[in-house]
Amino acid sequence: EAQVTQNPRYLITVTGKKLTVTCSQNMNHEYMSWYRQDPGLGLRQIYYSMNVEVTDKGDVPEGYKVSRKEKRNFPLILESPSPNQTSLYFCASSSRLAGTDTQYFGPGTRLTVL
Amino acid sequence: DQQVKQNSPSLSVQEGRISILNCDYTNSMFDYFLWYKKYPAEGPTFLISISSIKDKNEDGRFTVFLNKSAKHLSLHIVPSQPGDSAVYFCAATANNFGNEKLTFGTGTRLTIIP
Repeated sequence: EAQVTQNPRYLITVTGKKLTVTCSQNMNHEYMSWYRQDPGLGLRQIYYSMNVEVTDKGDVPEGYKVSRKEKRNFPLILESPSPNQTSLYFCASSSRLAGTDTQYFGPGTRLTVL
Repeated sequence: DQQVKQNSPSLSVQEGRISILNCDYTNSMFDYFLWYKKYPAEGPTFLISISSIKDKNEDGRFTVFLNKSAKHLSLHIVPSQPGDSAVYFCAATANNFGNEKLTFGTGTRLTIIP
Protein backbone atom coordinates (compact mmCIF):
# COMPACT_ATOMS: atom_id res chain seq x y z
CA GLU A 1 0.00 0.00 0.00
CA ALA A 2 1.33 3.43 -1.01
CA GLN A 3 1.70 5.54 2.08
CA VAL A 4 3.52 8.21 4.04
CA THR A 5 4.21 7.26 7.65
CA GLN A 6 5.15 9.51 10.55
CA ASN A 7 6.41 8.67 14.01
CA PRO A 8 5.52 9.36 16.67
CA ARG A 9 1.88 10.28 16.20
CA TYR A 10 1.71 12.06 19.53
CA LEU A 11 4.52 13.59 21.56
CA ILE A 12 4.64 15.68 24.72
CA THR A 13 8.03 17.10 25.59
CA VAL A 14 9.65 19.93 27.52
CA THR A 15 11.35 23.08 26.33
CA GLY A 16 14.90 22.54 25.09
CA LYS A 17 14.84 18.75 24.79
CA LYS A 18 15.93 17.80 21.28
CA LEU A 19 13.50 15.66 19.33
CA THR A 20 13.13 14.10 15.90
CA VAL A 21 9.93 13.31 14.04
CA THR A 22 10.48 10.69 11.38
CA CYS A 23 8.80 10.56 7.98
CA SER A 24 9.02 7.77 5.46
CA GLN A 25 7.37 7.15 2.08
CA ASN A 26 7.26 3.97 0.01
CA MET A 27 6.34 5.51 -3.35
CA ASN A 28 9.86 6.42 -4.53
CA HIS A 29 8.83 10.08 -4.62
CA GLU A 30 11.60 12.60 -5.12
CA TYR A 31 9.83 15.47 -3.35
CA MET A 32 9.11 15.58 0.35
CA SER A 33 7.86 18.40 2.58
CA TRP A 34 7.02 19.24 6.16
CA TYR A 35 4.04 21.38 7.16
CA ARG A 36 2.61 22.59 10.42
CA GLN A 37 -1.07 23.23 10.97
CA ASP A 38 -2.20 25.83 13.47
CA PRO A 39 -5.70 27.19 14.21
CA GLY A 40 -6.53 30.17 12.03
CA LEU A 41 -3.31 29.78 10.03
CA GLY A 42 -3.95 26.68 7.97
CA LEU A 43 -1.02 24.60 6.75
CA ARG A 44 2.34 26.32 6.48
CA GLN A 45 5.37 24.78 4.85
CA ILE A 46 8.45 24.38 7.06
CA TYR A 47 11.00 22.76 4.74
CA TYR A 48 10.95 20.83 1.51
CA SER A 49 13.32 18.58 -0.36
CA MET A 50 13.57 18.21 -4.12
CA ASN A 51 15.68 15.04 -3.90
CA VAL A 52 18.39 13.33 -1.85
CA GLU A 53 20.74 15.87 -0.26
CA VAL A 54 18.67 18.79 -1.66
CA THR A 55 16.62 20.72 0.88
CA ASP A 56 15.24 24.25 1.03
CA LYS A 57 13.37 26.47 3.46
CA GLY A 58 9.65 26.87 3.29
CA ASP A 59 7.67 29.69 4.85
CA VAL A 60 8.34 28.99 8.54
CA PRO A 61 11.75 27.27 8.88
CA GLU A 62 12.96 28.94 12.10
CA GLY A 63 13.69 26.46 14.87
CA TYR A 64 13.65 23.41 12.60
CA LYS A 65 16.21 21.32 10.74
CA VAL A 66 15.79 18.58 8.16
CA SER A 67 17.98 16.09 6.36
CA ARG A 68 17.49 13.95 3.27
CA LYS A 69 20.13 11.25 3.23
CA GLU A 70 17.88 8.65 1.66
CA LYS A 71 15.08 9.10 -0.83
CA ARG A 72 12.43 7.52 1.36
CA ASN A 73 13.15 9.36 4.63
CA PHE A 74 12.83 13.03 5.58
CA PRO A 75 13.16 13.54 9.36
CA LEU A 76 12.20 16.81 11.04
CA ILE A 77 14.54 17.85 13.85
CA LEU A 78 13.79 20.32 16.63
CA GLU A 79 17.15 21.02 18.29
CA SER A 80 15.70 23.08 21.14
CA PRO A 81 11.90 22.96 21.08
CA SER A 82 9.91 25.88 22.44
CA PRO A 83 6.20 26.17 23.34
CA ASN A 84 5.46 28.08 20.12
CA GLN A 85 6.34 24.91 18.23
CA THR A 86 3.35 23.16 19.75
CA SER A 87 1.43 22.21 16.64
CA LEU A 88 0.15 19.48 14.34
CA TYR A 89 2.85 18.43 11.86
CA PHE A 90 2.37 16.78 8.50
CA CYS A 91 4.89 15.20 6.20
CA ALA A 92 4.08 14.95 2.50
CA SER A 93 5.61 13.46 -0.64
CA SER A 94 5.04 13.86 -4.34
CA SER A 95 6.56 13.17 -7.74
CA ARG A 96 6.35 14.94 -11.06
CA LEU A 97 8.08 12.01 -12.71
CA ALA A 98 5.20 9.72 -11.82
CA GLY A 99 2.81 12.07 -13.55
CA THR A 100 1.02 12.98 -10.42
CA ASP A 101 0.36 16.53 -9.43
CA THR A 102 -0.63 15.92 -5.86
CA GLN A 103 1.06 15.63 -2.55
CA TYR A 104 0.42 12.59 -0.38
CA PHE A 105 0.22 13.44 3.28
CA GLY A 106 1.09 11.42 6.34
CA PRO A 107 -1.39 11.06 9.23
CA GLY A 108 0.14 13.85 11.30
CA THR A 109 2.16 14.21 14.51
CA ARG A 110 0.67 16.20 17.34
CA LEU A 111 3.48 17.83 19.29
CA THR A 112 3.08 19.59 22.63
CA VAL A 113 6.05 21.49 24.07
CA LEU A 114 5.66 22.40 27.74
CA ASP B 1 0.57 38.01 4.91
CA GLN B 2 -2.00 35.39 3.96
CA GLN B 3 -1.65 34.86 0.21
CA VAL B 4 -4.47 32.32 0.09
CA LYS B 5 -7.59 33.14 2.06
CA GLN B 6 -10.64 31.16 2.96
CA ASN B 7 -12.87 33.68 4.67
CA SER B 8 -15.50 31.24 5.89
CA PRO B 9 -14.17 29.15 8.78
CA SER B 10 -17.28 26.98 8.71
CA LEU B 11 -20.25 26.11 6.55
CA SER B 12 -23.34 23.96 7.18
CA VAL B 13 -25.35 22.53 4.30
CA GLN B 14 -28.37 20.26 4.14
CA GLU B 15 -27.74 16.81 2.67
CA GLY B 16 -28.57 16.74 -1.04
CA ARG B 17 -28.07 20.49 -1.50
CA ILE B 18 -25.10 22.23 -3.09
CA SER B 19 -22.04 23.14 -0.99
CA ILE B 20 -19.98 26.09 -2.21
CA LEU B 21 -16.58 26.74 -0.67
CA ASN B 22 -14.71 29.88 -1.58
CA CYS B 23 -11.05 30.81 -1.79
CA ASP B 24 -9.29 34.06 -2.69
CA TYR B 25 -5.63 34.61 -3.50
CA THR B 26 -3.44 37.65 -3.79
CA ASN B 27 -0.29 36.40 -5.52
CA SER B 28 -0.66 36.84 -9.28
CA MET B 29 2.19 34.34 -9.82
CA PHE B 30 -0.05 31.48 -8.71
CA ASP B 31 -1.19 29.48 -11.70
CA TYR B 32 -2.19 26.11 -10.30
CA PHE B 33 -4.78 25.54 -7.62
CA LEU B 34 -5.79 22.51 -5.59
CA TRP B 35 -8.40 21.53 -3.06
CA TYR B 36 -7.64 19.13 -0.25
CA LYS B 37 -10.04 17.45 2.14
CA LYS B 38 -9.12 16.58 5.70
CA TYR B 39 -10.87 14.30 8.15
CA PRO B 40 -10.00 14.42 11.88
CA ALA B 41 -6.86 12.48 12.84
CA GLU B 42 -5.88 12.04 9.19
CA GLY B 43 -3.66 13.89 6.77
CA PRO B 44 -5.16 16.00 3.97
CA THR B 45 -6.08 14.13 0.79
CA PHE B 46 -6.14 15.58 -2.70
CA LEU B 47 -9.59 16.29 -4.09
CA ILE B 48 -9.40 18.27 -7.33
CA SER B 49 -7.15 20.77 -9.08
CA ILE B 50 -7.30 23.41 -11.80
CA SER B 51 -4.74 25.10 -13.97
CA SER B 52 -4.97 28.82 -14.71
CA ILE B 53 -5.50 28.04 -18.40
CA LYS B 54 -8.93 26.70 -17.49
CA ASP B 55 -11.89 28.25 -15.73
CA LYS B 56 -13.63 25.04 -14.74
CA ASN B 57 -12.70 21.48 -13.86
CA GLU B 58 -15.19 18.80 -12.98
CA ASP B 59 -14.76 15.42 -11.31
CA GLY B 60 -17.96 13.64 -10.41
CA ARG B 61 -19.79 15.60 -7.74
CA PHE B 62 -16.93 18.09 -7.40
CA THR B 63 -16.39 21.11 -9.63
CA VAL B 64 -13.80 23.82 -9.20
CA PHE B 65 -14.29 27.22 -10.81
CA LEU B 66 -11.49 29.73 -11.31
CA ASN B 67 -11.98 33.46 -11.89
CA LYS B 68 -8.50 34.80 -12.59
CA SER B 69 -9.49 38.43 -12.90
CA ALA B 70 -11.05 38.31 -9.44
CA LYS B 71 -8.32 36.01 -8.08
CA HIS B 72 -11.07 33.78 -6.78
CA LEU B 73 -11.84 30.10 -6.93
CA SER B 74 -14.68 28.04 -5.60
CA LEU B 75 -15.40 24.39 -5.00
CA HIS B 76 -18.93 23.13 -5.67
CA ILE B 77 -20.11 19.84 -4.26
CA VAL B 78 -23.44 18.62 -5.54
CA PRO B 79 -25.27 16.80 -4.18
CA SER B 80 -23.70 17.08 -0.73
CA GLN B 81 -23.42 13.87 1.26
CA PRO B 82 -22.75 13.23 4.97
CA GLY B 83 -19.32 11.82 4.09
CA ASP B 84 -18.38 15.23 2.70
CA SER B 85 -18.25 16.63 6.24
CA ALA B 86 -14.59 17.57 6.66
CA VAL B 87 -12.21 20.51 6.59
CA TYR B 88 -11.42 21.72 3.08
CA PHE B 89 -8.18 23.49 2.26
CA CYS B 90 -7.55 25.52 -0.83
CA ALA B 91 -3.91 25.56 -2.02
CA ALA B 92 -1.98 27.36 -4.73
CA THR B 93 1.38 27.17 -6.41
CA ALA B 94 3.38 28.91 -9.13
CA ASN B 95 4.42 26.61 -11.95
CA ASN B 96 8.07 27.28 -11.33
CA PHE B 97 7.79 25.48 -8.03
CA GLY B 98 5.45 22.68 -8.95
CA ASN B 99 3.34 21.07 -6.33
CA GLU B 100 6.15 20.72 -3.82
CA LYS B 101 5.83 24.39 -2.85
CA LEU B 102 2.18 24.82 -1.96
CA THR B 103 0.62 27.76 -0.16
CA PHE B 104 -2.48 26.76 1.76
CA GLY B 105 -5.51 28.66 2.96
CA THR B 106 -6.78 28.47 6.52
CA GLY B 107 -9.48 25.91 5.77
CA THR B 108 -13.28 25.74 5.87
CA ARG B 109 -15.06 23.21 8.05
CA LEU B 110 -18.00 21.80 6.09
CA THR B 111 -20.80 20.09 7.97
CA ILE B 112 -23.48 18.24 6.02
CA ILE B 113 -26.72 18.03 7.94
CA PRO B 114 -28.66 14.78 7.31
